[in-house]
Amino acid sequence: KAGVTQTPRYLIKTRGQQVTLSCSPISGHRSVSWYQQTPGQGLQFLFEYFSETQRNKGNFPGRFSGRQFSNSRSEMNVSTLELGDSALYLCASTGLAGGSNEQFFGPGTRLTVL
Amino acid sequence: GENVEQHPSTLSVQEGDSAVIKCTYSDSASNYFPWYKQELGKRPQLIIDIRSNVGEKKDQRIAVTLNKTAKHFSLHITETQPEDSAVYFCAASIRSGGNEKLTFGTGTRLTIIP
Repeated sequence: KAGVTQTPRYLIKTRGQQVTLSCSPISGHRSVSWYQQTPGQGLQFLFEYFSETQRNKGNFPGRFSGRQFSNSRSEMNVSTLELGDSALYLCASTGLAGGSNEQFFGPGTRLTVL
Repeated sequence: GENVEQHPSTLSVQEGDSAVIKCTYSDSASNYFPWYKQELGKRPQLIIDIRSNVGEKKDQRIAVTLNKTAKHFSLHITETQPEDSAVYFCAASIRSGGNEKLTFGTGTRLTIIP
């Protein structure tokens, strides 16, 4: 099976702009989670989608939003970018089959806000 | 919500020695504890996980122990090798109805000294 893919891999934006990141889960996986990774804060949970519904949400401001499509692909959007939004954004998919919780991560999108 | 603390933040061990990384969690309802390894420039990958109904799990040179009463779990790597050098993350989640929300520790940078 193909792994989790994310596009784009790198992105440079300026403050105030908005950005949309895309994640394609492993075929058959219906749960997609998003994380922000920064050197100081580690991996912080943004939100999780399952069957086009947001099931869990982390403690991020409303500027961070997401959605999931019927084919399980997910997008996250950050509006009014701030310098502190510079980070590696990782998505992970879970099959939830056979009792497995394992999350498979994508390669990430490195966002730089200038 | 769940809070996961991880120690130490950096760890250097001589090749062949053992390494131990410890994590504590706050929510007694957490029932799933994975460990992820992230090599430089790569995505996090699951190396071992344990569920709350098990006290210890071993996979070759890697073992994880869980103390539910004390709410802490540890990763043990024996006979360390240079390829074990990476950042290790512990995580905790409550698996309920398929909901997936992993709370990660802040990571431990493990360096194996040849």
